[in-house]
Amino acid sequence: EPEVTQTPSHQVTQMGQEVILRCVPISNHLYFYWYRQILGQKVEFLVSFYNNEISEKSEIFDDQFSVERPDGSNFTLKIRSTKLEDSAMYFCASTRQGRTGEGYTFGSGTRLTVV
Amino acid sequence: AQTVTQSQPEMSVQEAETVTLSCTYDTSESDYYLFWYKQPPSRQMILVIRQEAYKQQNATENRFSVNFQKAAKSFSLKISDSQLGDAAMYFCAYKGAQKLVFGQGTRLTINP
Repeated sequence: EPEVTQTPSHQVTQMGQEVILRCVPISNHLYFYWYRQILGQKVEFLVSFYNNEISEKSEIFDDQFSVERPDGSNFTLKIRSTKLEDSAMYFCASTRQGRTGEGYTFGSGTRLTVV
Repeated sequence: AQTVTQSQPEMSVQEAETVTLSCTYDTSESDYYLFWYKQPPSRQMILVIRQEAYKQQNATENRFSVNFQKAAKSFSLKISDSQLGDAAMYFCAYKGAQKLVFGQGTRLTINP
């Protein structure tokens, strides 16, 4: 079964450093998403991406965050200057269509720890 | 904005018994989808079951079934014959015209 792949599985970074989280969505999917989950809390939407541009973003997704699809397969989330409160699990997801009942396919997540 | 509420932070059940997890949602949309996701200790998000709002028939996937009450905006998950591997966080989620929105989650413990 096709999978969404995320790397790395765990990243530790110092406060103020830039991090890039990587995702390889399912190959025939067109819509891509980033979510985050602070430990013990709910899964929160960050951003959706379609046709090489952001289609929707949340209040969490401020100027410190950016997304990019640098080639035909990768989808990245960059945090420019990490803060302690950015420590969380970050999930990438993809779907074939935007308005869909197929459910999102999630990657296994990247655990980001900011020290 | 759509909201999803799971009022049970934690639930526990004896192995082989049946447990029901509650979920309510708020929306003005008529066309939407509802989901239950399972998050085991590995923290991967696994789709358990989905329901189309336009379908009256409740979805079923093996031991997992839902009770979808559209007028009441309620979408509960029933797990029959609970197994130790069912222990996880369970998230109810809503998808309308926009993004997938999650509830706060319910931690399910299975007692042997």
